[in-house]
Amino acid sequence: EIVMTQFPATLSVFPGERATLSCRASESVSSNLAWYQQKPGQAPRLLMSGASTWAAGIPARFSGSGSGTEFTLTISSLQSEDFAVYYCQQYNNWPWTFGQGTKVEIK
Amino acid sequence: EVQLVQSGAEVKKPGESLKISCRASAYSFTSHWIGWVRQMPGKGLEWMGIIYPGDSATRYSPSFQGQVTMSADKSTNTAYLQWSSLKASDSARYYCARLSPYSTVLDLWGRGTLVTVSS
Repeated sequence: EIVMTQFPATLSVFPGERATLSCRASESVSSNLAWYQQKPGQAPRLLMSGASTWAAGIPARFSGSGSGTEFTLTISSLQSEDFAVYYCQQYNNWPWTFGQGTKVEIK
Repeated sequence: EVQLVQSGAEVKKPGESLKISCRASAYSFTSHWIGWVRQMPGKGLEWMGIIYPGDSATRYSPSFQGQVTMSADKSTNTAYLQWSSLKASDSARYYCARLSPYSTVLDLWGRGTLVTVSS
């Protein structure tokens, strides 16, 4: 099973600042990497697939990069609605696996 | 509206059986895989498995193989997740979600069903 490791576990950021979240796979997942956002009390929402392709309705301040084992989700200027937990997920090898999440909180 | 509507919260005792549901609307239910994801209290997301409602093909994550059963009813556009004998450790929120046909990611989620198992 591929282990997905996200860091940092918690990221404290001022509104308007840039946030960079990292995700590392225990072996190559090519570009088969998705990012999800989950706000308290809500279901997760798809942000990105293919490591860097926006899902429908996702604002351009979100961007994804990486391939192989190292991936990054960048939020260029944090808005109040972006404070949430973010999960990466690989879908290259079954069983598909999630990272443990990065919580983005207000500084 | 394209959506997945999940059944309501359940409170059960250890050893009891349970079947929760996920009803799809406004899209072709039989053409998209449905995934099930567990979220234990205060924890992250865990893949349980996927089912293709078109022919009820299933794939289970090894951690959940033999622990749960996924099924689907094409006549009612409903997917199910069931347990034959619940344990306290099954207490969690369970999400169903649709797999995109383009990139096998979860592009549409239900709101989750909270399952509490307690004596």
